[in-house]
Amino acid sequence: GESVGLHLPTLSVQEGDNSIINCAYSNSASDYFIWYKQESGKGPQFIIDIRSNMDKRQGQRVTVLLNKTVKHLSLQIAATQPGDSAVYFCAEKIGNTGFQKLVFGTGTRLLVSP
Amino acid sequence: EPEVTQTPSHQVTQMGQEVILRCVPISNHLYFYWYRQILGQKVEFLVSFYNNEISEKSEIFDDQFSVERPDGSNFTLKIRSTKLEDSAMYFCAIGTDSTDTQYFGPGTRLTVL
Repeated sequence: GESVGLHLPTLSVQEGDNSIINCAYSNSASDYFIWYKQESGKGPQFIIDIRSNMDKRQGQRVTVLLNKTVKHLSLQIAATQPGDSAVYFCAEKIGNTGFQKLVFGTGTRLLVSP
Repeated sequence: EPEVTQTPSHQVTQMGQEVILRCVPISNHLYFYWYRQILGQKVEFLVSFYNNEISEKSEIFDDQFSVERPDGSNFTLKIRSTKLEDSAMYFCAIGTDSTDTQYFGPGTRLTVL
């Protein structure tokens, strides 16, 4: 039968606004986190990462904040553009040694209106 | 960002048939992963591969699945007898070491009829 997809939370913003996308992770032992952007029909594209010994990391127009106390991760996009419209996933690396798999969150759809 | 290509971009097959999905990393990488994404759902880990052997696999990766890197370049995922529920996007990911970021390919859309 037809599978039913997850209902993605959606964030709608106007071009030029700042966007904040949130993510709660599950494993307190996770020490590395990544934000990916996925456009329709494409693979996840790396945006920014952060290790657990940091609280904040900045990239070009993006900032990731990590709150280990409440196991919360956020992605801030400054001056959001229509090209930022996509689904954004946070991912945590599970495993202390060896080959660490990624565990993805359910994703947030960002819609940017011109 | 490392470049990864995957072939084919879309594969349509009949239930019970075997399919082979291919991943071609452009630069030299050591760590390989397969993930899948059922339409509208989140990305799920299938298997990780290093030094010509599986290092970890998920519950999804049952006996119908296998991986290999036969020529030291292409990294393949084989599904021996496809089921309807295998329909999904399959993504290859690569890393330079076990703690590095994983970079994803564009994916192969597998449709099982």
